Amino acid sequence: GAVVSQHPSRVICKSGTSVKIECRSLDFQATTMFWYRQFPKKSLMLMATSNEGSKATYEQGVEKDKFLINHASLTLSTLTVTSAHPEDSSFYICSAPLPRAGANVLTFGAGSRLTVL
Amino acid sequence: GENVEQHPSTLSVQEGDSAVIKCTYSDSASNYFPWYKQELGKGPQLIIDIRSNVGEKKDQRIAVTLNKTAKHFSLHITETQPEDSAVYFCAASVGRGDKIIFGKGTRLHILP
Repeated sequence: GAVVSQHPSRVICKSGTSVKIECRSLDFQATTMFWYRQFPKKSLMLMATSNEGSKATYEQGVEKDKFLINHASLTLSTLTVTSAHPEDSSFYICSAPLPRAGANVLTFGAGSRLTVL
Repeated sequence: GENVEQHPSTLSVQEGDSAVIKCTYSDSASNYFPWYKQELGKGPQLIIDIRSNVGEKKDQRIAVTLNKTAKHFSLHITETQPEDSAVYFCAASVGRGDKIIFGKGTRLHILP
């Protein structure tokens, strides 16, 4: 079946550095991908919609310059957390629409846990 | 803005009993309502979904009901088993495109 793969699954970085998280659709193409953020024991908060070949659409309150999204191909979207700080520590999850499944049906990656020291 | 409310936040049921989780949504244009199961440290997995043109859908021990007038939808799990223990999220479609927003989740504990 359609699988979304995220890499890395875990990353630890120092404050002030940038971290890139990749989201790949393994056996299907995705012109749109979604990035979510999840704090411990909390819900998934939609951060942005990644659009292949054009700019991402960010949700209200999400800093565009902080969370850079690039959707350079039909199978890859990347989220770069720039100048990371401890408050950016979170579980980041991407998703993509399942092909031929109808509108809104999403499949999710396994998530990437970011810890900023 | 659009909002999805989910209750209860925590639910404990005896193994073999039924579990019910309820959600309400605010966007009258919402027409797709999925339920996700999330285990610790993993991404959410779609377990069942329903569209606004039907009122109920069942898949083995799992069923979902939708009341569009009241903007309510519910997840029913019957004959609960230990492996049902997880966090369950309801969600609703919003706006255009494939965007969905999530409820706050229900931590389900199946007691032996």
